[in-house]
Amino acid sequence: NAGVTQTPKFRVLKTGQSMTLLCAQDMNHEYMYWYRQDPGMGLRLIHYSVGEGTTAKGEVPDGYNVSRLKKQNFLLGLESAAPSQTSVYFCASSYLTGLRETQYFGPGTRLLVL
Amino acid sequence: QQQVKQSPQSLIVQKGGISIINCAYENTAFDYFPWYQQFPGKGPALLIAIRPDVSEKKEGRFTISFNKSAKQFSLHIMDSQPGDSATYFCAATDNYGQNFVFGPGTRLSVLP
Repeated sequence: NAGVTQTPKFRVLKTGQSMTLLCAQDMNHEYMYWYRQDPGMGLRLIHYSVGEGTTAKGEVPDGYNVSRLKKQNFLLGLESAAPSQTSVYFCASSYLTGLRETQYFGPGTRLLVL
Repeated sequence: QQQVKQSPQSLIVQKGGISIINCAYENTAFDYFPWYQQFPGKGPALLIAIRPDVSEKKEGRFTISFNKSAKQFSLHIMDSQPGDSATYFCAATDNYGQNFVFGPGTRLSVLP
């Protein structure tokens, strides 16, 4: 049971380049989330998904796209990277219990956009 | 109205002391308040959580106090240890966890 894994761990991009971050979970969780973490700003929700084939915008969705084609995977795409997207990206997943959700986080992806 | 405020930004405590971190929220629809602990280079991990129908929850050395009328909640770490040195985030959510809002974090350093 690996929990939540993220690929890659670290990446350097040039402005305008594109890339996809992969999140995978093996806990059969319905909910999956993408956050970015910047110093002094905590975690901010980019996009989330409440099930396979569904996605929704979070607090800071601009410049990002997501897809949830399989229940266990949640992809975050940057079509044209900008220096403002330099951040640490965390994926998380949680159960759909109708009660209170515990989020399980991945180890993060550190992205540097030059 | 979605914001969660957290203070202090950083905290230094001697070993054995009590660490106290405070959070405040505005959205009365929030109904679940977790605390996360994050070590450098790692993702956040759930530490303890509370619902607004109770005023206090204790798990080992960690206690959440909740004041619904003031829309405030706090984390108390008793007998703080150097291993507790980490960044702590409070959070709030509604709608069965579809949208989490995090505080900006508190960096705790426990001196030996």
